[in-house]
Amino acid sequence: EVQLVESGGALVQPGGSLRLSCAASGFTSSLYFMSWVRQAPGKGLEWVANIQQDGSHRYYLDSVKGRFTISRDNAKNSLYLQMDSLRVEDTALYYCARESSVAAPYYFDLWGLGTLVTVSS
Amino acid sequence: EIVMTQSPAALSVSPGGRATVSCRASQTIGDNLAWYQQKPGQAPRLLIYTASKRATDIPTRFSGSRSGTEFTLTISSVQSEDFAIYYCQQYNSWPSMNTFGQGTKLEIK
Repeated sequence: EVQLVESGGALVQPGGSLRLSCAASGFTSSLYFMSWVRQAPGKGLEWVANIQQDGSHRYYLDSVKGRFTISRDNAKNSLYLQMDSLRVEDTALYYCARESSVAAPYYFDLWGLGTLVTVSS
Repeated sequence: EIVMTQSPAALSVSPGGRATVSCRASQTIGDNLAWYQQKPGQAPRLLIYTASKRATDIPTRFSGSRSGTEFTLTISSVQSEDFAIYYCQQYNSWPSMNTFGQGTKLEIK
């Protein structure tokens, strides 16, 4: 089955760190750009970061630049998000999403169920 | 940043009725627009891409259209399983700063 499964969400204090993981199955994730998208409680969707197939290029939402790092391990079919200096406003459900491979620019054609990050003292 | 203004915020439709959701881009984005459906506790699901192309296994009652920077998602005959939140997303800014509309909640009338 083609799917994405996120893990690693937790309750963390402001200023803390967390590492999210996304395991891809049923397809070869190394063929795709991959993204993290978040959704704050009761709010809409917000793209956070993405990474090129070979990891050579990475892009970030301005508000997370310098604090979050996206990475991937193609041998493990996995995507990661290292989150440092966390803020209350980073509280959200974090989705892993696959970007379409037909032709750039890409949209999101597969999403996981998400993992919840709560930043609170 | 391209701002996507989605309307209405909520829409009440009777089963079998027609639902129309609009999305306006703050600047030209060509056909680089997608629509997603999100149900409680579920992952978002791609419905439409390139403004009017249906994704795999999406019923024909879902259609998308474009007029300049105005985009429309239409559900021709709403079924019970269609009650959900719908989001538009522009990806003209790819690879970064893809932005979403605020969402439209489709409710049962």
